[in-house]
Amino acid sequence: GAVVSQHPSRVICKSGTSVKIECRSLDFQATTMFWYRQFPKQSLMLMATSNEGSKATYEQGVEKDKFLINHASLTLSTLTVTSAHPEDSSFYICSARDFRGQGTGELFFGEGSRLTVL
Amino acid sequence: AQSVTQPDIHITVSEGASLELRCNYSYGATPYLFWYVQSPGQGLQLLLKYFSGDTLVQGIKGFEAEFKRSQSSFNLRKPSVHWSDAAEYFCAVGARGAAGNKLTFGGGTRVLVKP
Repeated sequence: GAVVSQHPSRVICKSGTSVKIECRSLDFQATTMFWYRQFPKQSLMLMATSNEGSKATYEQGVEKDKFLINHASLTLSTLTVTSAHPEDSSFYICSARDFRGQGTGELFFGEGSRLTVL
Repeated sequence: AQSVTQPDIHITVSEGASLELRCNYSYGATPYLFWYVQSPGQGLQLLLKYFSGDTLVQGIKGFEAEFKRSQSSFNLRKPSVHWSDAAEYFCAVGARGAAGNKLTFGGGTRVLVKP
């Protein structure tokens, strides 16, 4: 199946700094990628939809200036957590839709990135 | 708007015993339905999906799920659980059409397997 890779898998940063997480589709082109956030022992909450070449669409309650998303190519989307604070500590997971599977609803998920803000 | 409910937060099952995880959804039409498994600190792996056709869907690792429209359910089953099946399981629903890839997840069910 299709492969989606995230980097870094774990990151620890100081409060006030910014952290960038990359999501790559390794063997297919992804015009759309999704960023999810998962708190411990909880489900995944969709944060935003990343569209190649255009602005991301954010879910209600998600601060777009806080969570910057860039989808500059068909294989890469980045999530930057700006001025991170301890409450931003979470597990961030990206997913990508295979361009050839448009409309089928199947997504491929990355391994996740655990962010810890001290 | 679509929603998903997984009534069981935790399930403990003995190795070799059968397993059934419940999933109920709310959606105006027939949705796309998925079951994912997540091991600790890992991403999600797709177990199986339902788009149309046969309502009994076979997946990987010996799992199956049955779509019951009348009950708005998509329960996951496995006849004989292995210790490696201990994980978190998520049911998800996606709308049909262009928005179909925007999934809504249930709260998850954590499965513990006793020796």
